Amino acid sequence: ETGVTQSPTHLIKTRGQQVTLRCSSQSGHNTVSWYQQALGQGPQFIFQYYREEENGRGNFPPRFSGLQFPNYSSELNVNALELDDSALYLCASSFGIWDLAGGSGNEQYFGPGTRLTVT
Amino acid sequence: DAKTTQPTSMDCAEGRAANLPCNHSTISGNEYVYWYRQIHSQGPQYIIHGLKNNETNEMASLIITEDRKSSTLILPHATLRDTAVYYCIVRVLGSQGNLIFGKGTKLSVKP
Repeated sequence: ETGVTQSPTHLIKTRGQQVTLRCSSQSGHNTVSWYQQALGQGPQFIFQYYREEENGRGNFPPRFSGLQFPNYSSELNVNALELDDSALYLCASSFGIWDLAGGSGNEQYFGPGTRLTVT
Repeated sequence: DAKTTQPTSMDCAEGRAANLPCNHSTISGNEYVYWYRQIHSQGPQYIIHGLKNNETNEMASLIITEDRKSSTLILPHATLRDTAVYYCIVRVLGSQGNLIFGKGTKLSVKP
C-alpha cells in the first residue's frame, strides 16, 4: 500500500449534479495529481497541485476544479456532470515537482481510486 | 498522445522471467523512462525508472538500449500476482510532472 487514501470508494450521481472527491497524500508528500481513467484506457492527467497552487492542467474543461489544503490533502470537484464523466478517478502524491533542469524524477504514488458512475 | 509503443498483451508462465518491451524512438536526451503497473481495480503502482543505465530494484530490472530508443522491463520470476497492465511512460519535459499513459501491455501470468 502507498499510504494515499481516497474517498469515497464508489459514487453514483445523476447527470447535471456536482461531485467532490477527496484524497489524502502520503506522509511527507506535498504534491497531488489527479487522473481520470475511463474503462479500458490508461489514466489521463487532469491537474496537479503543489503547495496549494495549481501547477499544471491537462485537457479538461473548467468544470473540473480542485483544491489543496495546508495539510496537502486535496479535493477534485466536478460540476454539471455528464455521462462521459463516468470513470475511475485517481489521485497520486509525490514530493516536489518535476525538476525541469536536471530531469530528475519524483515518482508518483497512487491511491486506490474513486469509481464514479453518472446516470 | 503517448510517446511509447507497447504490445497489447503478453503471456508468461509462472516462475519464468517476463520480458516486457517498449519502444520510445523519439525520446529526448534528458527524458526518463518510467514503468508502472495496474492490477485490476487498483491504482497504478510505481515499479522502476531509468535514464540510460540499466537499473534494478526489488521488483524488477530495466534494460535500456544504448541508443535509448527502446527498453525492456524484466520480472525475473513472475508470479500469478504479477498479472496486470504494465505501462511504459516517458516523462515529458514541461509537463509539470504529470504522467502520460498509453494503453499499456496486459501481462497474464499462467500456472
